[in-house]
Amino acid sequence: GDSVTQMEGPVTLSEEAFLTINCTYTATGYPSLFWYVQYPGEGLQLLLKATKADDKGSNKGFEATYRKETTSFHLEKGSVQVSDSAVYFCALIGRRGADGLTFGKGTHLIIQP
Amino acid sequence: KAGVTQTPRYLIKTRGQQVTLSCSPISGHRSVSWYQQTPGQGLQFLFEYFSETQRNKGNFPGRFSGRQFSNSRSEMNVSTLELGDSALYLCASSFAGGVNNEQFFGPGTRLTVL
Repeated sequence: GDSVTQMEGPVTLSEEAFLTINCTYTATGYPSLFWYVQYPGEGLQLLLKATKADDKGSNKGFEATYRKETTSFHLEKGSVQVSDSAVYFCALIGRRGADGLTFGKGTHLIIQP
Repeated sequence: KAGVTQTPRYLIKTRGQQVTLSCSPISGHRSVSWYQQTPGQGLQFLFEYFSETQRNKGNFPGRFSGRQFSNSRSEMNVSTLELGDSALYLCASSFAGGVNNEQFFGPGTRLTVL
């Protein structure tokens, strides 16, 4: 079945550092790819998405590019802030949508001032 | 526009009991999906309801069931609770489900089984 693999962390960075969280996937066909963020005590919020190869999703300074050749969707941000501290989930949904969202295990990001 | 609401936010039950969780989707949304989040297994898809019908189902035992009402509100039921059912249960609503409709998540219900 479909699967998503991402670094679990915790990942600790200083404020204004460059962020990369790696995400690779296994899926049949051409899934849609997502990054969700979860703040303490809250549900998941969609951060960005990409629906086809070479698409770039972007939001709030975060970016990720759908790379079919490497089956990857790495999350990047040029300069992180303390407020970016959260758990980040990479996810996919297959073309039929029949299995719901398939999530990675989540990466706990800690930004220190 | 109000977001997805889930009640109760916290529950404590004992093994063998049953539990019902409730989810109210965003107004106008007809699809409701349920997910289980645990430290060991991460986030796993339970099932999706659309227009009062279960449309998709994940790989969970029959003790996990759900239903959806005509106003799109959904309930999830777990019977004969086991310790391993302790988890955060998340509900997500979308306009029509499927690939092209964004899912909006509620804050979750934290279930503890003793």
